[in-house]
Amino acid sequence: DVKVTQSSRYLVKRTGEKVFLECVQDMDHENMFWYRQDPGLGLRLIYFSYDVKMKEKGDIPEGYSVSREKKERFSLILESASTNQTSMYLCASKGSSYNSPLHFGNGTRLTVT
Amino acid sequence: GQSLEQPSEVTAVEGAIVQINCTYQTSGFYGLSWYQQHDGGAPTFLSYNALDGLEETGRFSSFLSRSDSYGYLLLQELQMKDSASYFCAVIGGYQKVTFGIGTKLQVIP
Repeated sequence: DVKVTQSSRYLVKRTGEKVFLECVQDMDHENMFWYRQDPGLGLRLIYFSYDVKMKEKGDIPEGYSVSREKKERFSLILESASTNQTSMYLCASKGSSYNSPLHFGNGTRLTVT
Repeated sequence: GQSLEQPSEVTAVEGAIVQINCTYQTSGFYGLSWYQQHDGGAPTFLSYNALDGLEETGRFSSFLSRSDSYGYLLLQELQMKDSASYFCAVIGGYQKVTFGIGTKLQVIP
């Protein structure tokens, strides 16, 4: 079974702090994704990566950056957290075939105060 | 870019059939997927369509019409445990996966 592990289930940070959200997958998947989920807005893609050291902006990249130094790890960075970044963050990984499904982690509920 | 539209809420009776529609606009298209998410849980994969037609997996079926940029998820013999949110998602170039806003399905007795 594919396992996608997010480092924290709940996180509380202050405005202006630099925040790191970590995600690790154990299935040697090429593709990894970061989404945020807010009520009524569905899952919105922040960044994705199709290979080590490769990254592509998703639909809402502003205020975020990512790092993928190793194949199994994909980090989301909030350079200076703001209250509008309070959300549920979901990491996912996917195999190389287009019909490969996304496998999600359990999510990190981030609150910025 | 990509955009998807699906109804925000649907209510159906236990044992009945329900169809959740999804229309999409995309600059690159490799397939349409459906995911289920129960409250408090992570989304889980249901189906994938790359070609026109119907794919059946047990009580769930998914349909795609590429010429109409349209697909649907069909749930038969509804059960209470099917109450969840259902998301359509487009797979685009570089494996980019873009989701719709989700349809909250409530199954009532």
